[in-house]
Amino acid sequence: QQPVQSPQAVILREGEDAVINCSSSKALYSVHWYRQKHGEAPVFLMILLKGGEQKGHEKISASFNEKKQQSSLYLTASQLSYSGTYFCGTVTTSGTYKYIFGTGTRLKVLA
Amino acid sequence: NAGVTQTPKFRILKIGQSMTLQCTQDMNHNYMYWYRQDPGMGLKLIYYSVGAGITDKGEVPNGYNVSRSTTEDFPLRLELAAPSQTSVYFCASSYRIMPFINSGGGSDIQYFGAGTRLSVL
Repeated sequence: QQPVQSPQAVILREGEDAVINCSSSKALYSVHWYRQKHGEAPVFLMILLKGGEQKGHEKISASFNEKKQQSSLYLTASQLSYSGTYFCGTVTTSGTYKYIFGTGTRLKVLA
Repeated sequence: NAGVTQTPKFRILKIGQSMTLQCTQDMNHNYMYWYRQDPGMGLKLIYYSVGAGITDKGEVPNGYNVSRSTTEDFPLRLELAAPSQTSVYFCASSYRIMPFINSGGGSDIQYFGAGTRLSVL
């Protein structure tokens, strides 16, 4: 079952904040976040390995709640360069190894 | 480092034609994947491979075939192309440390090729 991301799309003004959520129906071992700009391939942003872990990358950070099987990506003081589609990638712990991408969230930052 | 290289970048096929999309990685990754992405949509897994000689179906394998004779190469073959196969195709690779539960922080990250834009007319 594909992890569900919310919101599906969001439009921001430069300098505004956004939160993107990734929710899985399966127990997760780790969560990865990727950003895909229009016409390009997805690019890895960050990995979260442990329950409750938070990581940061410039003004982009993320958290992982292992018990809730959820991860959130926080974009602070958004810039035009943040525009794109964000995907979570999940590694499940139930049964055999599986890597599954989430449904995606389209983010557009306006000047 | 070249990373993951896909060829060709663009291709137009006629209905019923066949072609092979090439994918090569130079990172010594054991896992390789083929995804397709329709306009405005997410990534759908076509096939994947956990090592040379081992492949398995993903979510949408019909109409495609793969092989993995070496660690580096993972070609995707389209037989009898159909308009429904018009899409952008991405190859990706990752490194997985086994056993599963003991893998480290650097594993599983997927590195993507630039993609192949395929139109079937």
